[in-house]
Amino acid sequence: QSALTQPASVSGSPGQSITISCTGTSSDIGAYNYVSWYQQYPGKAPKLMIYEVSHRPSGVSNRFSGSKSGNTASLTISGLQAEDEADYYCSSYTSSVIFGGGTKLTVL
Amino acid sequence: QVQLVESGGGVVQPGRSLRLSCAASGFTVSRYGMHWVRQAPGKGLAWVAVISYDGTKKYYEDSVKGRFTISRDNSKNTLYLQMNSLRAEDTAVYYCAKDSMSYFDYWGQGTLVTVSS
Repeated sequence: QSALTQPASVSGSPGQSITISCTGTSSDIGAYNYVSWYQQYPGKAPKLMIYEVSHRPSGVSNRFSGSKSGNTASLTISGLQAEDEADYYCSSYTSSVIFGGGTKLTVL
Repeated sequence: QVQLVESGGGVVQPGRSLRLSCAASGFTVSRYGMHWVRQAPGKGLAWVAVISYDGTKKYYEDSVKGRFTISRDNSKNTLYLQMNSLRAEDTAVYYCAKDSMSYFDYWGQGTLVTVSS
């Protein structure tokens, strides 16, 4: 299966909201609500931020939210903070596991 | 708390073998499937393999089928990845990750494998 499609980069100013899209197909994202999002700082392990499209694990800020429409999932970060600057990856976990190519978020 | 600690990475020549380990703690390891995910330098995440909670089911990404073997020893709370016939394109940081049915809820810190002559 092909990787999910994410924008290579997005940016925003502190306090603003940004949205990262993740586009797949009717066989992965469109098929089930098994979309998750991971945050990764340089040289560090990924961290789960959203699971099953829109659920936040305990300890993750409510500034992070997820949604899905058709074959596209989205991660929205509101009230952008400097600490949000990182790489973000989406993933679809159905009969196989695929990741998006990653999006570098820059906080201006 | 959940901890996953990988080890076994290093520099290896093309065609040679390496075995990675992932020591797990802080949860009942024998109840969960486990994955290996890798990340080539400067690249994104790529799923490698998964093993069921009891070790009876194993699935692999196409490029590693027949070369890599995932296994586990629940008595030792340890996951393994035996990597044979290594290629330059296998160079990556290898992470073990805990399965939570449809996502990875915990990740190790990773171990770097460099395949180079």
